[in-house]
Amino acid sequence: AQSVAQPEDQVNVAEGNPLTVKCTYSVSGNPYLFWYVQYPNRGLQFLLKYITGDNLVKGSYGFEAEFNKSQTSFHLKKPSALVSDSALYFCAVILHDYGQNFVFGPGTRLSVLP
Amino acid sequence: AAGVIQSPRHLIKEKRETATLKCYPIPRHDTVYWYQQGPGQDPQFLISFYEKMQSDKGSIPDRFSAQQFSDYHSELNMSSLELGDSALYFCASSPRAGGYTDTQYFGPGTRLTVL
Repeated sequence: AQSVAQPEDQVNVAEGNPLTVKCTYSVSGNPYLFWYVQYPNRGLQFLLKYITGDNLVKGSYGFEAEFNKSQTSFHLKKPSALVSDSALYFCAVILHDYGQNFVFGPGTRLSVLP
Repeated sequence: AAGVIQSPRHLIKEKRETATLKCYPIPRHDTVYWYQQGPGQDPQFLISFYEKMQSDKGSIPDRFSAQQFSDYHSELNMSSLELGDSALYFCASSPRAGGYTDTQYFGPGTRLTVL
């Protein structure tokens, strides 16, 4: 079955430290991978995407993600976390063989502690 | 920059009532998607439209229907509401010309509460 996994429900990190939010996928063919962030009572905001090309993708607000085909992973990273980064993060994949809609991971709640 | 607009932002209904949610995509975006996010859950795809035609269908109940109009706005019609329909409903839009790789931009969502 094609799916997206985020193995950590919650990630805690101190302000100023690097952060990583993990995502692994299981899809046939070439995956199109996205990261979105959701703040309380808000919609989903696009951070970055990997379609093809350079495995390191840079996105909004200083976030980046590395596509690793051998490990089927697309982990989200930031060198120095801010308290304002605290939110719910969703990894998503487009199952292009089945349409254009996203399949989301379960989400990871990031808490950046001052 | 213009974003996806959803109305209403909050809606409270009784069981067995009907509800209509509206979505206005970003200008020049011709594809609209609807997602349902239950409490503490990830968004689940319901249905999408491209150029006023249904393009994909996900886990949308038969009690729900949707359409896209000539101005590209979309409406999600929900009938015989059940308590389990209480959720945050997101609309997203994208320019189809970008194909499958195009980013979907989400609206702020409509929070539906069924009492």
